[in-house]
Amino acid sequence: QKEVEQNSGPLSVPEGAIASLNCTYSDRGSQSFFWYRQYSGKSPELIMFIYSNGDKEDGRFTAQLNKASQYVSLLIRDSQPSDSATYLCAVNEGYSTLTFGKGTMLLVSP
Amino acid sequence: GAVVSQHPSWVICKSGTSVKIECRSLDFQATTMFWYRQFPKQSLMLMATSNEGSKATYEQGVEKDKFLINHASLTLSTLTVTSAHPEDSSFYICSARTQSDRINTGELFFGEGSRLTVL
Repeated sequence: QKEVEQNSGPLSVPEGAIASLNCTYSDRGSQSFFWYRQYSGKSPELIMFIYSNGDKEDGRFTAQLNKASQYVSLLIRDSQPSDSATYLCAVNEGYSTLTFGKGTMLLVSP
Repeated sequence: GAVVSQHPSWVICKSGTSVKIECRSLDFQATTMFWYRQFPKQSLMLMATSNEGSKATYEQGVEKDKFLINHASLTLSTLTVTSAHPEDSSFYICSARTQSDRINTGELFFGEGSRLTVL
C-alpha cells in the first residue's frame, strides 16, 4: 500500500525565517510529487510540483526531491504569518490519483 | 490554474435525508474527477474516481450505494449522500485533472469543498 508520511507538527517558526517541511514516500515507482497548502476550512491549493531529482524554485518556495532516499521537501524562505497553514505532500505514480500525506501544520509567528 | 467550482459550500441536513453536491470544471473539460472526504485533522481520503459516461470507481470501504456519483458531462460530476447519518458529517472535496498535455503531470485542481453536517 502506498504511504506518504509527514510530521504532523505544528512546526513553529518566527516571521522571516526559513520553514522546512519534509515528506517521505513508500512507492519507488512514484513519478511526480506535489505540495499543497490548505488553510483551515478550505480546500487544498497547489503550491509546487516536482518530477526530477534536485531543487525547483518558485519565488519563496523551493521543492527538493531525492528519489534514492524517497524524500521530498518544501522550503519556505522569508516565512510570513500568512503562510500559516497545513501543507500536504502528495505523490503520484503515472496516471493514478494522488496519495496524500496527513499534512504538516506550519505556524509563523509575527 | 484551472478552475473547479463546487456547490454548496455548506449544507446541514436531517438524518435520513439525501444531499447532492455538484462539482463543475469551469474553464476546461474533465474526463476524470475525484471525490475526497476529509475529517477534522485528517488527510484527504479518496472516495471514488468519477469517469465521464461510465460508472465511478470506488475505493475500498466506500459504499457505492450510499455515495452515488454521476458524471454525465465533461464539466459536471455530482455526489449524492443518500440516507445521511451524523457519521457522514465531513468536508467533501472534488477535484479534476485537465485534459491538456499537462495531464501527465497528474496535477489536480480542487473545488472549494462542501462541509456537510448531518443532525
